[in-house]
Amino acid sequence: QKEVEQNSGPLSVPEGAIASLNCTYSDRGSQSFFWYRQYSGKSPELIMFIYSNGDKEDGRFTAQLNKASQYVSLLIRDSQPSDSATYLCAASMDSNYQLIWGAGTKLIIKP
Amino acid sequence: DAGITQSPRHKVTETGTPVTLRCHQTENHRYMYWYRQDPGHGLRLIHYSYGVKDTDKGEVSDGYSVSRSKTEDFLLTLESATSSQTSVYFCAISTGTSSYEQYFGPGTRLTVT
Repeated sequence: QKEVEQNSGPLSVPEGAIASLNCTYSDRGSQSFFWYRQYSGKSPELIMFIYSNGDKEDGRFTAQLNKASQYVSLLIRDSQPSDSATYLCAASMDSNYQLIWGAGTKLIIKP
Repeated sequence: DAGITQSPRHKVTETGTPVTLRCHQTENHRYMYWYRQDPGHGLRLIHYSYGVKDTDKGEVSDGYSVSRSKTEDFLLTLESATSSQTSVYFCAISTGTSSYEQYFGPGTRLTVT
């Protein structure tokens, strides 16, 4: 069974601090990894993707991938109350562009 | 905006009735997916399509059927709705490039009473 695991949270972080979200995956064949943000009552929105080992930065967001450890993380710098949401991690499957989804981590940024 | 719409956005129906949800996309993407999302379960794939009239089952396909007669439309049918099918249903597309990312429609909240 191919799985993506995330801590469900909630993860509470003070405004202005760094929020660190983590995800592990079981399928060594997964090549691409994605972070989606989902506000309550809304659909998931893609915020970052990463293919290569190491870090990828986009504004306040940094995705980190370690394929040897099968570990993906998302760092959010200078956290804002508007970052409060559930963050979903997904990994690619080598079949019809399917993704394996984690259950999500709820992030709360406290003013 | 990936040009994905879903209809209806909200529906309440009774146990045993058939229900059809529609997903419409404007950009002719080949791959389309239906998911359900329930608390504690994340997104679970119901069915997907890799072209007109080409569909396959996902991990939670029992009680659901799909059809895709045109590139732009992907229909999800609950043949006889049950209370366990109360959920939020999301349609998604993949551009089918090397990047694998998916983009989601706004969702349909279905309640089966």
